[in-house]
Amino acid sequence: DAGVIQSPRHEVTEMGQEVTLRCKPISGHNSLFWYRQTMMRGLELLIYFNNNVPIDDSGMPEDRFSAKMPNASFSTLKIQPSEPRDSAVYFCASSSDRVGYGYTFGSGTRLTVV
Amino acid sequence: GENVEQHPSTLSVQEGDSAVIKCTYSDSASNYFPWYKQELGKGPQLIIDIRSNVGEKKDQRIAVTLNKTAKHFSLHITETQPEDSAVYFCAASRNNRLAFGKGNQVVVIP
Repeated sequence: DAGVIQSPRHEVTEMGQEVTLRCKPISGHNSLFWYRQTMMRGLELLIYFNNNVPIDDSGMPEDRFSAKMPNASFSTLKIQPSEPRDSAVYFCASSSDRVGYGYTFGSGTRLTVV
Repeated sequence: GENVEQHPSTLSVQEGDSAVIKCTYSDSASNYFPWYKQELGKGPQLIIDIRSNVGEKKDQRIAVTLNKTAKHFSLHITETQPEDSAVYFCAASRNNRLAFGKGNQVVVIP
């Protein structure tokens, strides 16, 4: 298994532009998580999907952020319009519903908004 | 919700010595406690985990202990090596929803 695959690895964009981050979870995993990591706040859970359905999006900062999971093998996190304070590393993770399975993280997308 | 605290925030050890990182959690119903290692430029990677029906688990040079009464758990790394230098995260959950600590920077000095 190739693990959780995220793209792009790095993204530099200008303030106001739309940014789309992509994630392919591990095949067979039915939970998917989007995290944001910064020095100040550590790992923040943005949104959690189970069986492709958004379960908890209380961590999404504001309406500029949206996430979709159209099928079991693909998810996107979109920021529109982007702002400099959105600069961070965004991680996608997936897991099985079986209790006690740890998350498998992707390599992350480093987003820089200038 | 669950709140996980991690101490110390930074730990420096001489190569060959042991390192211990401690975490506390707030939800007594939590029953799964994984530890993650994050190297520079990479995502967190699961290195060891423990469930609430076990008090200790060991895997080569790393071990985790759990004290449910006190609601704390610890990561122990023995015979530290330079490649152990990384950020370590503890987490706790009871329904596949992990709450992470803020991380601990471990520096192994050659």
